[in-house]
Amino acid sequence: QVQLMQSGAEVKKPGASVNVSCKASGYTFTRFAIHWVRQAPGQRLEWMGWINTGDGNTKYSQKFQGRVTITRDTVANTAYMELNSLTFEDTAVYYCARLGPGYTNGWAYWGQGTLFTVSS
Amino acid sequence: QSALTQPASVSASPGQSITISCTGTSGDVGGYNYVSWYQQHPGKAPKLVLYDVSNRPSGVSNRFSGSKSGNTASLTISGLQAEDEAEYYCSSYTSETIPWVFGGGTKLTVL
Repeated sequence: QVQLMQSGAEVKKPGASVNVSCKASGYTFTRFAIHWVRQAPGQRLEWMGWINTGDGNTKYSQKFQGRVTITRDTVANTAYMELNSLTFEDTAVYYCARLGPGYTNGWAYWGQGTLFTVSS
Repeated sequence: QSALTQPASVSASPGQSITISCTGTSGDVGGYNYVSWYQQHPGKAPKLVLYDVSNRPSGVSNRFSGSKSGNTASLTISGLQAEDEAEYYCSSYTSETIPWVFGGGTKLTVL
């Protein structure tokens, strides 16, 4: 079965960087893009960016452009999201997600979420 | 970019039906049949309940249905059950610089 397993919670100071991993299993990793979505406490979901796991091409939300980098390791079947220059407003749960098979849209598979807290 | 507008809360009794609206613009909901809906229980990851406006993923109850008219998409849940109590989010593809946008979420309370 398809699974996306994310790295654990982290606490970072303002200005620091954080790297979250998302290990995929149960399917051919390079056939489906991985998206990153975050949810700040009590806030709506927010799309951050995606990576074509086949060729490594990425697209980022303009809001995070310049601060976020999404990469992948096709040997480890893992996608990574790095967010730099953290502020308190980056405190959120970060999810990786994948479309369903043959779906035009609709993230059918989600990681369990990674909470990172920005605190001084 | 503009986010999608949902009512903050809805409530109904078990067995009843509810409809949650999701209003956008011609640049997102109205322009594409790429609306999806997610159910989220506290502390859990979102779960996809509808994609491409009205399609149900395998395993999702047929009590969940979707439609779209103009710039507004709707999620209907019939025969409400206690386990339906959750936050529901809509999402749409958009022509703006952020390809996907979400609604603010609707808290469904089953009385």
